[in-house]
Order: sequence, then C-alpha cells, then structure tokens
Amino acid sequence: IAGITQAPTSQILAAGRRMTLRCTQDMRHNAMYWYRQDLGLGLRLIHYSNTAGTTGKGEVPDGYSVSRANTDDFPLTLASAVPSQTSVYFCASSDFPYNEQFFGPGTRLTVL
Amino acid sequence: GENVEQHPSTLSVQEGDSAVIKCTYSDSASNYFPWYKQELGKRPQLIIDIRSNVGEKKDQRIAVTLNKTAKHFSLHITETQPEDSAVYFCAASRTGGSYIPTFGRGTSLIVHP
Repeated sequence: IAGITQAPTSQILAAGRRMTLRCTQDMRHNAMYWYRQDLGLGLRLIHYSNTAGTTGKGEVPDGYSVSRANTDDFPLTLASAVPSQTSVYFCASSDFPYNEQFFGPGTRLTVL
Repeated sequence: GENVEQHPSTLSVQEGDSAVIKCTYSDSASNYFPWYKQELGKRPQLIIDIRSNVGEKKDQRIAVTLNKTAKHFSLHITETQPEDSAVYFCAASRTGGSYIPTFGRGTSLIVHP
C-alpha cells in the first residue's frame, strides 16, 4: 500500500513555464488538499476537494488550478510559474474533511 | 473564516523538561483540533487530536487540552527527548460549512541533550 504519493520529488523550473504537480492516493479518501510550505508561514492551503468532481479555493489560490476527475488523483497546475511560487508543496488526503489528514512526501519546486 | 494563532514560534528546552505549545482559534463552531509533528525534511504526521466533546486526551508522554469557552487548546509533552525536536502544527476544523482546516504557523521545538 503506497498511501499518498507525489511527483516529482523536486523540480527546477524557468519562470513562465507551465508545470503540473501530481498527487495520487490509494486510501479511497474523499477529501484532498494542496498546501505550500514556506519558512515562517506554516502550511497554507492552496486548493481543496471534498469529493471527486468538486474543488474549492483555499487561502492562496492565485496562479494555481486543480481538478478532481476521480477519487485517487488531485493534480495541481501552475499555468505560468513565477519566482514567488518557489516553495515546498504538500498534497494531503482525509477520509472526511474534518478528520486526520495524511500528507504526501512533498515536492520541492524552484522557479528561476 | 477561522483564524488560528500558535505560540511560541520557537521553544528550546533541556532533555527531560516539559514543553507546552498553545493555540487559539476564532470560530466557536470548530470542533476538531489535531496536532501534527514535522521532522526536518519530512512530511507532517498526526500525533494526537481532540474533538470538542472532551476536554483532555493523553497518549503516553503527549497530552492535549481543550478549553472551548476560551477557544484555546494546548499540546503538552512531558519528559522531552532529543527525538521530540521538530516543528509542531496545530489546526482547527469543523463539521458543516466549508470544512476547510486552518493551521497555525508552527512551533519549532528544540530539545537539548
């Protein structure tokens, strides 16, 4: 059982390029989340999905988009990357939105 | 929306001492309060959680207390060990509404041998 996985592990990206971070879970969890983590700012929610087919905006959604076509996958897309999007990105899932979250291993993204 | 304040941002203790991290929240409807531990370079993982129908929960050296009237909850670690060194995050969420969990900004705990 893999749990929750993310790809890639790390990426260096030129500003203006499009990038999709992948997240897959095999726990059949209903809810999934994308966070960015920056030093001193904790975990900030970018987008979330309470169930397949629905998505919502978090605290810092600008410049990011998500989709939830099925239960297992929740990709995060940066349409045109900017240096301020340099961060560590964590995907998470939970069986219900108000229960324990399980985090993926993270993706370290650098935008130059 | 919910606002979660976490203090202190950094906590340094000697091995064997106790450590206390406090969080306050703003939404009186919040009813689920988890604590996550993140070791350096690793992902956050749940260490303990509490729901609003109880005031305290313990798991070995770790305990969480909740005061719903004052809207604050605390993490207590007794007999600290070097392996307790990590960043700890509190969070608050609730059933109903948008379900969005809100995290505190984290506390870096350093346990000196």
